[in-house]
Amino acid sequence: DGGITQSPKYLFRKEGQNVTLSCEQNLNHDAMYWYRQDPGQGLRLIYYSQIVNDFQKGDIAEGYSVSREKKESFPLTVTSAQKNPTAFYLCASTHTGGTQPQHFGDGTRLSIL
Amino acid sequence: EDQVTQSPEALRLQEGESSSLNCSYTVSGLRGLFWYRQDPGKGPEFLFTLYSAGEEKEKERLKATLTKKESFLHITAPKPEDSATYLCAVQAVEAGGSQGNLIFGKGTKLSVKP
Repeated sequence: DGGITQSPKYLFRKEGQNVTLSCEQNLNHDAMYWYRQDPGQGLRLIYYSQIVNDFQKGDIAEGYSVSREKKESFPLTVTSAQKNPTAFYLCASTHTGGTQPQHFGDGTRLSIL
Repeated sequence: EDQVTQSPEALRLQEGESSSLNCSYTVSGLRGLFWYRQDPGKGPEFLFTLYSAGEEKEKERLKATLTKKESFLHITAPKPEDSATYLCAVQAVEAGGSQGNLIFGKGTKLSVKP
């Protein structure tokens, strides 16, 4: 079955450590997105990519980095510069062009040790 | 500024008690409005896309409607398994690379008691 796979499901970060969250899709979607979800807040866009080897900052990109070397993969690195990384991170993908819904993975919950 | 507001924040219903969730939006131009369902610890699951005022979509006990300023998600005779957070998102008409981006509301947490 086609879908979006996020891993790991749970992740713990130590002080000063960078951690990378994985997102893989086999839906043949061009566009991929990373969101952060905090309790009582809507989904906030971190980064997005509409084509391989290209990506743009979203509303809250500071302290995060991404790469898009393959169409299927869009990993997110939470750097030590992100001082409040504890959140639920969601990856999504969609076709470009037209008005298409985004489809989501099941998220990674990141906590600080 | 483009904005999406959902109300109420939380809604508690008895099984069989029909109700509606509201999503008000302010965008320069609407390309589409999306409804999602999110269960705890899971990613949002796509429910409906609405494109223009007057449009309606149905799926089992859920019906989504759209006006020029808001959308409603009507839940008819809900069951406990309908308990979840319902998210509304809009896609605005914008030039350039952000065209596909969604603006999300904070969601309505629905609890249906047996």
